[in-house]
Amino acid sequence: SQQGEEDPQALSIQEGENATMNCSYKTSINNLQWYRQNSGRGLVHLILIRSNEREKHSGRLRVTLDTSKKSSSLLITASRAADTASYFCATDARAQGGKLIFGQGTELSVKP
Amino acid sequence: DAGVIQSPRHEVTEMGQEVTLRCKPISGHDYLFWYRQTMMRGLELLIYFNNNVPIDDSGMPEDRFSAKMPNASFSTLKIQPSEPRDSAVYFCASSFSFGVNTGELFFGEGSRLTVL
Repeated sequence: SQQGEEDPQALSIQEGENATMNCSYKTSINNLQWYRQNSGRGLVHLILIRSNEREKHSGRLRVTLDTSKKSSSLLITASRAADTASYFCATDARAQGGKLIFGQGTELSVKP
Repeated sequence: DAGVIQSPRHEVTEMGQEVTLRCKPISGHDYLFWYRQTMMRGLELLIYFNNNVPIDDSGMPEDRFSAKMPNASFSTLKIQPSEPRDSAVYFCASSFSFGVNTGELFFGEGSRLTVL
C-alpha cells in the first residue's frame, strides 16, 4: 500500500497565487522528500525534510512536517506557469529500511 | 555530469517479445533503483542495487522481470515475455546515500514501454 497520500489530486490556480499540497503517511519516517515531475519527464528532487525538522525553505518553496499528525505540506508561493507539473511526496519509512515510497501525486496547473 | 541516462526513451513491442531497458547511473553513486510508473499504481519500486549487488527485488512483479548490474556504470531491466499489462514508464534512479536517512534520488527521463 502507498505510504504517502497527496491531497488534493489536482489543483488549478492563477499565476501569482500560492499553491498548497498536502501529504499524509502511515508509519514513522526518517525523512520526507518532495519531487516535481513535468509531463513526459523524470522526477526532480525539490526538498528534503528530516523527521526532527518542522519547517524548511528553498526559494519559493516552503515545506512543513508534523510527525504527530504524520503529515507534510508543500507551499509554492507566487506561482508561475512554469510550476505546472505533478508533485510527489516520498517517505523514507523506517520500517522500509530506507526505501523511498512515493505517493500518487498532486497535479498542479498554473494558468497565466 | 550528464545525469542518469536511460534508453530507449520509447519502446513499442508486441506481446511475447523480449524487452531490455538500459540505465547508466551518475558516476560515484553506489545505489541504483528501478521504478515503474502507471496511472493506476503510481510509482512502484521494483528493485535496487548497492555496489552492483541486488539488495531488494521484492517489488519485481513476477519471474518475467529480471534486472542486472554487471558494473557500476550500467544496469538492465529485462521483461521476457512481455505482456500488455507491462505497459508503463520505467524509471532508473541513482543515489549516493541510502538506509538511515536516504538522500535525494536522481532520476532518468524514463523509458515508455507499450506492449501491444
